[in-house]
Amino acid sequence: KNEVEQSPQNLTAQEGEFITINCSYSVGISALHWLQQHPGGGIVSLFMLSSGKKKHGRLIATINIQEKHSSLHITASHPRDSAVYICAQKGGGSEKLVFGKGTKLTVNP
Amino acid sequence: NAGVTQTPKFQVLKTGQSMTLQCAQDMNHNSMYWYRQDPGMGLRLIYYSASEGTTDKGEVPNGYNVSRLNKREFSLRLESAAPSQTSVYFCASSKTGIGNTIYFGEGSWLTVV
Repeated sequence: KNEVEQSPQNLTAQEGEFITINCSYSVGISALHWLQQHPGGGIVSLFMLSSGKKKHGRLIATINIQEKHSSLHITASHPRDSAVYICAQKGGGSEKLVFGKGTKLTVNP
Repeated sequence: NAGVTQTPKFQVLKTGQSMTLQCAQDMNHNSMYWYRQDPGMGLRLIYYSASEGTTDKGEVPNGYNVSRLNKREFSLRLESAAPSQTSVYFCASSKTGIGNTIYFGEGSWLTVV
């Protein structure tokens, strides 16, 4: 069974801090997604990656295929980054995404 | 560009009532999904449709039915609502294939009393 584990479950930071959220999965990867869920509930896709590293503004996503691990980094965090960050993976030949439980990030001014 | 549109946004039902959640996407995607999100749990797949006319059960299909009316629309029906179905429901869509972005609707908050 494909399982996706995220850590930490909750994270509080001060504005400007460097943030790291971790994601581990159990089966071979097809694609790994990082999603952001705003306090109002909407979910948007941040990254989709199957190898290496991707960067968009202050957000960086990395993946280590051998270790079955991905990280989402936020540089120079800002209160507007406060959200739930969700890791999801397609693997094992399935079209279906398996989701982690999310990491709730709060950035204080 | 509307993306994925789902309705209603909020609904309160009495136990035993039925209702249908509607979802439509305007991105010409083949794959469509219905998820539910409960506190302390990740998004869980209820049903999936790989193309018009095909549907497949997900992790938590009991108590739900779906209909892929055409390529654009994928509806979720609760035939006899139960309090355990109180949840936030998300419709999503993507192109077929492993390396494609998934797009979500805004969510539907359903309370069954």
